[in-house]
Amino acid sequence: GQQLNQSPQSMFIQEGEDVSMNCTSSSIFNTWLWYKQEPGEGPVLLIALYKAGELTSNGRLTAQFGITRKDSFLNISASIPSDVGIYFCAGLKDNNDMRFGAGTRLTVKP
Amino acid sequence: NAGVTQTPKFQVLKTGQSMTLQCAQDMNHEYMSWYRQDPGMGLRLIHYSVGAGITDQGEVPNGYNVSRSTTEDFPLRLLSAAPSQTSVYFCASSYGGLSPLHFGNGTRLTVT
Repeated sequence: GQQLNQSPQSMFIQEGEDVSMNCTSSSIFNTWLWYKQEPGEGPVLLIALYKAGELTSNGRLTAQFGITRKDSFLNISASIPSDVGIYFCAGLKDNNDMRFGAGTRLTVKP
Repeated sequence: NAGVTQTPKFQVLKTGQSMTLQCAQDMNHEYMSWYRQDPGMGLRLIHYSVGAGITDQGEVPNGYNVSRSTTEDFPLRLLSAAPSQTSVYFCASSYGGLSPLHFGNGTRLTVT
């Protein structure tokens, strides 16, 4: 099945820097989700977006649902070492049809 | 709440062996699904269920069976394990429709 195009594939940043990652698709989605996965764990939901243009924050995390409904981005401000992990975007269509990006692996150097 | 519970956490099988990966959720979710996660491939859907008694195939169903006799449980059966089934398997559940998925902590399976 078609996966989402997520970029970048990996990021190496210094503690305190801001991070930006995005997800694009040729299809329209009705819900955009961002998950974080740490080693040995399952993905954990960070932010859910339900409306085109919606901008939602969760602490230092901010995500937006693109106006075209074909993309979304996630920003992390003032990164800290515990932000390390793999971040996945996911898009949902009406019939439980969920597609995932391949993930962005984030490394934060103290 | 336990959320989504998967057992076992690790498993090693020999080629040709069969086994069942267990998944249970206590959130009264109607929708349950199984994914496999492989390096560079992201999460791929194996099978899913929209309610007790109803199952359907996902993107990569070959070699796997599922059943949904109760709302809470959704076991995944490997009929005759192959090295290509070496992967990390995740069970996930949701209220369905546009609700987010909640994932278990995964089962790491190695087939030798």
